Amino acid sequence: DAEITQSPRHKITETGRQVTLACHQTWNHNNMFWYRQDLGHGLRLIHYSYGVHDTNKGEVSDGYSVSRSNTEDLPLTLESAASSQTSVYFCASSFDRNYGYTFGSGTRLTVV
Amino acid sequence: ILNVEQSPQSLHVQEGDSTNFTCSFPSSNFYALHWYRWETAKSPEALFVMTLNGDEKKKGRISATLNTKEGYSYLYIKGSQPEDSATYLCAFEDDKIIFGKGTRLHILP
Repeated sequence: DAEITQSPRHKITETGRQVTLACHQTWNHNNMFWYRQDLGHGLRLIHYSYGVHDTNKGEVSDGYSVSRSNTEDLPLTLESAASSQTSVYFCASSFDRNYGYTFGSGTRLTVV
Repeated sequence: ILNVEQSPQSLHVQEGDSTNFTCSFPSSNFYALHWYRWETAKSPEALFVMTLNGDEKKKGRISATLNTKEGYSYLYIKGSQPEDSATYLCAFEDDKIIFGKGTRLHILP
């Protein structure tokens, strides 16, 4: 069965370290998205991609980067982790704009 | 910054009662309005994607309507059951999707 998987499920890292969160989908979806979930803010868009080599900034992109070298993967990199980036991160994908998102299970990141 | 507002923030409903809640969104540059159901400790699950003014969608006891001219959508749940307890998210799509903060629904036995 097709799926979207995020890894790791939980991570603790130190301030200043570079961290990469993985997102892998086998739906063959063109569109992929990264969101963060924080209390009082709901889901906020970090970066998104509409296809290979396409990346776009969302509303809270500072301190994050993504790259899309193939259809299946959209890794999210925190260049220099900060305590303000402690959050739950969700990856999502969609077939096209008329379809809803399929979400991964989330990665809980703690920056100490 | 786009504003997608959901109300109420939280709602307690007696089992068997029907309920509804609202999503307000910008009326310009509209492409689609999404509804998601998000149970605790799980991932959001897509319920509906609506693109046309006047759209109505239904899935079992849950239905949704869309008014793009005035910028609102309603989600209705008929005969609430305990398994309906969840957070319901709406999301406005222009060239990207922006989520509201959700309505947390609690079904009281």
